[in-house]
Amino acid sequence: DSGVTQTPKHLITATGQRVTLRCSPRSGDLSVYWYQQSLDQGLQFLIQYYNGEERAKGNILERFSAQQFPDLHSELNLSSLELGDSALYFCASSNNLQGAGGYTFGSGTRLTVV
Amino acid sequence: DAKTTQPNSMESNEEEPVHLPCNHSTISGTDYIHWYRQLPSQGPEYVIHGLTSNVNNRMASLAIAEDRKSSTLILHRATLRDAAVYYCILREGLKTSYDKVIFGPGTSLSVIP
Repeated sequence: DSGVTQTPKHLITATGQRVTLRCSPRSGDLSVYWYQQSLDQGLQFLIQYYNGEERAKGNILERFSAQQFPDLHSELNLSSLELGDSALYFCASSNNLQGAGGYTFGSGTRLTVV
Repeated sequence: DAKTTQPNSMESNEEEPVHLPCNHSTISGTDYIHWYRQLPSQGPEYVIHGLTSNVNNRMASLAIAEDRKSSTLILHRATLRDAAVYYCILREGLKTSYDKVIFGPGTSLSVIP
């Protein structure tokens, strides 16, 4: 157990639907990061939050949104789902923003859009 | 785009040392070099990081070139459990709340029994 908890582990849903993925960071970590990993794309950076505020954005689609709550957990909302959104979604957390600290990843949520 | 380049794949025999190279020619003076690995169907796992000096931990060693434009992750005795994708990334060392880290495709390591 890495200390980063992602729920649910698996999710199957239909095209056009909306889902919410949840991430609880490791205790004490203020930063949360979301990544998407599909078979042909590798790990794609989506977005970073630090202490409740959005700080960095990657190639996140407009249909996707995220937020970090006061208790530091984060949610990634995916709407108007398409078949191509099927992927593993990873959350990571970090206790500082300097390079001298590693990221801790969760075990991911596998999303299947049918 | 990723700031690092790595070979797509490498092979090693079990119980032999493995040297995984990474080039980062545009590294800045404040960038830390991090290595992660990802086993099949799992999230990436932190392996090691360094700034200028070589580093050792229970998992691996990190050798950093004097000009810092390249580094090598060393697994001293490869086991079957070390078969994974290994990522080399750069992480900004300045204290800022902006922390966008891009993972490249990494190196897929196969370990032959």
